[in-house]
Amino acid sequence: GENVEQHPSTLSVQEGDSAVIKCTYSDSASNYFPWYKQELGKRPQLIIDIRSNVGEKKDQRIAVTLNKTAKHFSLHITETQPEDSAVYFCAASRNNNDMRFGAGTRLTVKP
Amino acid sequence: ETGVTQSPTHLIKTRGQQVTLRCSSQSGHNTVSWYQQALGQGPQFIFQYYREEENGRGNFPPRFSGLQFPNYSSELNVNALELDDSALYLCASSSLTSVQYFGPGTRLTVT
Repeated sequence: GENVEQHPSTLSVQEGDSAVIKCTYSDSASNYFPWYKQELGKRPQLIIDIRSNVGEKKDQRIAVTLNKTAKHFSLHITETQPEDSAVYFCAASRNNNDMRFGAGTRLTVKP
Repeated sequence: ETGVTQSPTHLIKTRGQQVTLRCSSQSGHNTVSWYQQALGQGPQFIFQYYREEENGRGNFPPRFSGLQFPNYSSELNVNALELDDSALYLCASSSLTSVQYFGPGTRLTVT
């Protein structure tokens, strides 16, 4: 089955800096890669996703890149703000089924 | 916030007992996926239901079972509870290949 690895496990940045979180996956048939943000005690919320027919996607300060050959994808957050502090999860799946999540990255943005 | 709801919010059970958790999907969605999230970890896929049929299953024993009803709401049943079953149980609602929207979760404690 699919295996997703996520790095780093913790990340601390100054407000205004960029943050990058990286994930690798094992199943070459995976074709859908969402990123979720989970604040303490809250449900995971989708922040951006990418499908395997696209190499990059951007939404304001957030961007995701996908390298199918290397089987890795990354989340980029620019101009970080204190409210970006949360745990971020990457995930991979075939057609939105059997979705496997990474172990999470705890991002702290210091004011 | 999404239109996905779960009940109950919290539950305390004794080892060996059985539990039923419920999820109401968002209007227009016909697919429900269930996840187990242990403290400090990413969600782990239990199974997915599509139009009342199981449509995929993760690495969970048969004592984890589910149902989906004609209105696409769903139940997760766990028999013979073990201490390691203590976790946050999340359901996610979607159309078959679309974004998954998570409910707020049910926190299960097994003593």
